[in-house]
Amino acid sequence: DAGVIQSPRHEVTEMGQEVTLRCKPISGHNSLFWYRQTMMRGLELLIYFNNNVPIDDSGMPEDRFSAKMPNASFSTLKIQPSEPRDSAVYFCASSPRLSGGRNEQFFGPGTRLTVL
Amino acid sequence: SQKIEQNSEALNIQEGKTATLTCNYTNYSPAYLQWYRQDPGRGPVFLLLIRENEKEKRKERLKVTFDTTLKQSLFHITASQPADSATYLCALPHGSGNTGKLIFGQGTTLQVKP
Repeated sequence: DAGVIQSPRHEVTEMGQEVTLRCKPISGHNSLFWYRQTMMRGLELLIYFNNNVPIDDSGMPEDRFSAKMPNASFSTLKIQPSEPRDSAVYFCASSPRLSGGRNEQFFGPGTRLTVL
Repeated sequence: SQKIEQNSEALNIQEGKTATLTCNYTNYSPAYLQWYRQDPGRGPVFLLLIRENEKEKRKERLKVTFDTTLKQSLFHITASQPADSATYLCALPHGSGNTGKLIFGQGTTLQVKP
């Protein structure tokens, strides 16, 4: 298996522009997570899905952030409009299940976002 | 609110020694705890899960303990090697643990010198 795939790996954009990050989870995994990592705040959960349905988006910082999962093999995280404080590494992770045993998370390589 | 604390200072040890990293938590009783490894420029990688009814768990040179009274987990790497140099994150389930939502610590960076 190729693991969790994220694109792009790097994104540099100007303030005010729309940014779309993409994720393909591991086939067969039912849960998908979007995280943001910065030096100051560490790894923060933004939103997660189970069976393509958003379960908890309490970590989404503002209405400028939105996420979708139209099918089991694809998810997007969109920031519109982007701001310099959104600069961070964004990770997507998937998991075989949410609870019980074997709910470890498998992370993608991340997208490094820089907003100028 | 639930809080996880890991040593923010880097841990520097000599090759061959045992590295011990600490994860402390407050304000809840997690059903399990997970440890991840993160290399620079990469996503975290799952290493071990230990449940509240398990005192200790081993995997090759790794050993994890879970003391629910002290609200602490210790992560040991025996016979450490330079390749073990990385940041190690502990993660605990949010709330009751049935949601699958994890809260990650800030991580401790380990540097093993040859």
